[in-house]
Amino acid sequence: DAGVTQSPTHLIKTRGQHVTLRCSPISGHKSVSWYQQVLGQGPQFIFQYYEKEERGRGNFPDRFSARQFPNYSSELNVNALLLGDSALYLCASSIGTDGGKLFFGSGTQLSVL
Amino acid sequence: DAKTTQPPSMDCAEGRAANLPCNHSTISGNEYVYWYRQIHSQGPQYIIHGLKNNETNEMASLIITEDRKSSTLILPHATLRDTAVYYCIVRVAGAGGTSYGKLTFGQGTILTVHP
Repeated sequence: DAGVTQSPTHLIKTRGQHVTLRCSPISGHKSVSWYQQVLGQGPQFIFQYYEKEERGRGNFPDRFSARQFPNYSSELNVNALLLGDSALYLCASSIGTDGGKLFFGSGTQLSVL
Repeated sequence: DAKTTQPPSMDCAEGRAANLPCNHSTISGNEYVYWYRQIHSQGPQYIIHGLKNNETNEMASLIITEDRKSSTLILPHATLRDTAVYYCIVRVAGAGGTSYGKLTFGQGTILTVHP
């Protein structure tokens, strides 16, 4: 069975640009969460979507937004990119019965120049 | 979610047991202990979780002290592929609302398994 898939795997942008990252959860999983991992740090929670509704948001500015589609895939959008947005962006899905057991993708490595 | 404290790094010889400690002295009665690991260039991987009883699965064993203020993850026969950052996380299992899907990661323990 396919795991959580994220695209693209790597991305280079310049300051001020916009970026869209995509995530496909494991089949049957209705919950998708997004995390940001800066080099040398643990992942930090950005968003959680369940049944296409935002259910949680971490301490990130409004430049970060996300949505979940009817097929439960998700997009993370970041506007007006800053150098500090350079990080590994991780998507995780869960079946919805245990919010602590997440299945993570391999992430999108975003570099902002 | 309760704060956890882990040693920044540990070493282990291949084939020996790796015992990774975690302190969570402020854990609440309804909070579970979760362990994840992250191998270089991959996303975190769920290992095991428990409330107060010891747990074992195909990957590891989790020993939680009786007062629940600390726990130990045990990899019984460490291999080179177990080299990773190990995260100990406490959270309310099955939490709905705004906690759903949210894990609070700390710095973790870098476990290096040597030949």
